[in-house]
This record gives sequence, structure tokens and C-alpha cells, in this order.
Amino acid sequence: QKEVEQNSGPLSVPEGAIASLNCTYSDRGSQSFFWYRQYSGKSPELIMSIYSNGDKEDGRFTAQLNKASQYVSLLIRDSQPSDSATYLCAVNMGGGYQKVTFGIGTKLQVIP
Amino acid sequence: SAVISQKPSRDICQRGTSLTIQCQVDSQVTMMFWYRQQPGQSLTLIATANQGSEATYESGFVIDKFPISRPNLTFSTLTVSNMSPEDSSIYLCSVDSGSTDTQYFGPGTRLTVL
Repeated sequence: QKEVEQNSGPLSVPEGAIASLNCTYSDRGSQSFFWYRQYSGKSPELIMSIYSNGDKEDGRFTAQLNKASQYVSLLIRDSQPSDSATYLCAVNMGGGYQKVTFGIGTKLQVIP
Repeated sequence: SAVISQKPSRDICQRGTSLTIQCQVDSQVTMMFWYRQQPGQSLTLIATANQGSEATYESGFVIDKFPISRPNLTFSTLTVSNMSPEDSSIYLCSVDSGSTDTQYFGPGTRLTVL
């Protein structure tokens, strides 16, 4: 069974610190990787997508992909209390119809 | 990204009844997806709906329980039939971006079954 694994947390970081969120996936042939942010009671919101090995930066967010290790991460620099949310890792494992598989999500708490 | 709306935003239903959830998009999209998110869990894909063809259901989900319609390129419905308390969940529709395999989500429908 194809899986996406995340530590459910909570991950607590002080305001201004770097939050590091990690995700592993089981299908070596996966090509597309996504990070979504989900505030409590809200629907998921896309933060980043990444398709190639290496780093991709967008503002305070950096996504890192290592296909050899089947590992994708999200770094949040200068963490703010407004970053407190659940972060979902999603992977397109090539199941057709653009099907993506979601991890359980990591709950991030940024402490003022 | 597309603007997606869902109706109703929430509902409380009695056991044995059915509820139809509507998903409306402000632009034409090829693929629409229906997910379920149970309390404390991640998103589980129920089915994929393409216009003009029958929905494709994931393992563990059947058409009799979750019938789906996709009458045009901007609209879809999901019906939760013969509901039980185990169907209490958030139901989300999403659409593809059209140019990549990125998905964007509607606001969700929070369903409670008593």
C-alpha cells in the first residue's frame, strides 16, 4: 500500500525560530510533492509544490526534496504564531487521475 | 487558482437519511475530487469525478453509498446515503489546476450524523 508518513506532533517552536517538518513516502516512482497548511476548522491551503531534487524557496518557506531517500521536508523560517496550523504532505504516486495521497499532517505550534 | 464553494457548510442529520453536498467552481475544470476527513485524520479520497463519465471510486467506497454527479465542467454533487454516525466527517471537494497536478480545495462541509 502506498503511504505518506508524517509525525503528527505537536511540534512546538518559539517565535522567530526555524520549524522543520518532515515527510517520507513509499513509492519511489513519485514525481510530484506538495505541502498544504490547514488551520483548525478550515480546508487545506496549498503552500508549496516541488518536483525536482533540491530546494525550492518561497518567502519564509523552503521545500526540500530528496527522491533517493524518499524524503520531503518543509522549513519555515522566522516562525510566527500565525503559522500555527497542521501541515499536510501530499504526494502524487502516479495512481492516475492526478491522484495524490496525503499524510496525516504535523501540528505546528509557534509559541510567542 | 479557482474559487470553489460548497453547500451546505455544515449540517446535522438523522441516522438513515441522505445528504447531498454541492460543489461549484467559478471556472471550467476537468477533474473534481471528493475527500473525507474524519476527526484527527488526514484526507481520504472518496472518488474522482470527470464530466461526462461515471465517477471513479477508491477502495472502500461504493457508488450506492456515495453517488456522485458531474453534469458539467463547473459543478458536482456528492450524496451521502443511508447515513450512520460513522459518516460524521468533513467532506471536501477539490479541483485540479488544469496545468499541473496541483489541487485546490473548497471550504468543506461539516456533517454530523446523530
